[in-house]
Amino acid sequence: SQQGEEDPQALSIQEGENATMNCSYKTSINNLQWYRQNSGRGLVHLILIRSNEREKHSGRLRVTLDTSKKSSSLLITASRAADTASYFCVAANQAGTALIFGKGTTLSVSS
Amino acid sequence: DVKVTQSSRYLVKRTGEKVFLECVQDMDHENMFWYRQDPGLGLRLIYFSYDVKMKEKGDIPEGYSVSREKKERFSLILESASTNQTSMYLCASSDRAGANVLTFGAGSRLTVL
Repeated sequence: SQQGEEDPQALSIQEGENATMNCSYKTSINNLQWYRQNSGRGLVHLILIRSNEREKHSGRLRVTLDTSKKSSSLLITASRAADTASYFCVAANQAGTALIFGKGTTLSVSS
Repeated sequence: DVKVTQSSRYLVKRTGEKVFLECVQDMDHENMFWYRQDPGLGLRLIYFSYDVKMKEKGDIPEGYSVSREKKERFSLILESASTNQTSMYLCASSDRAGANVLTFGAGSRLTVL
């Protein structure tokens, strides 16, 4: 069952702007992961945040996690046209056998 | 460069045909997964396997079976393909000892006529 939800479903911005996507989940997690998918391709792992972490950075990416609200956000700073893709959050349990995907946020960055 | 390889990027099959989708990973990962992805529905788990010869049903196993005879290979089988199985199929693997980060294949787009 779909237990992750991203918000918004679609986001259109200009190059140089920041993009923020949100994710809510229903289960207890060991970690939460964000993936990116270019059109018609497989997903690529971007960043992982563990349940005992609150914020994590990787290059232009910033992820926050609020386990009390069962939510996470992904911020992409200074967006580029090449960031155009779909972004998915994945809530992972301890064993890694429950990896719950949301439906994704489609980001369009125009130059 | 580690990777997950799916045998076919595009397949066109007829209703009733038996279809095999092959997935091979070279990372010695214990866990392997098959998802299908449809517009508006996101990724849905069909089956997963956490060890050789082990398999678990995901959210939508009906109409599918899987085989994992070797650690590196996880096959998805459509015993009798139907038009509603037209979809993008994504294979992934993860390391149980690590953080269970998924590595995906490029996907197999199946069209059933």
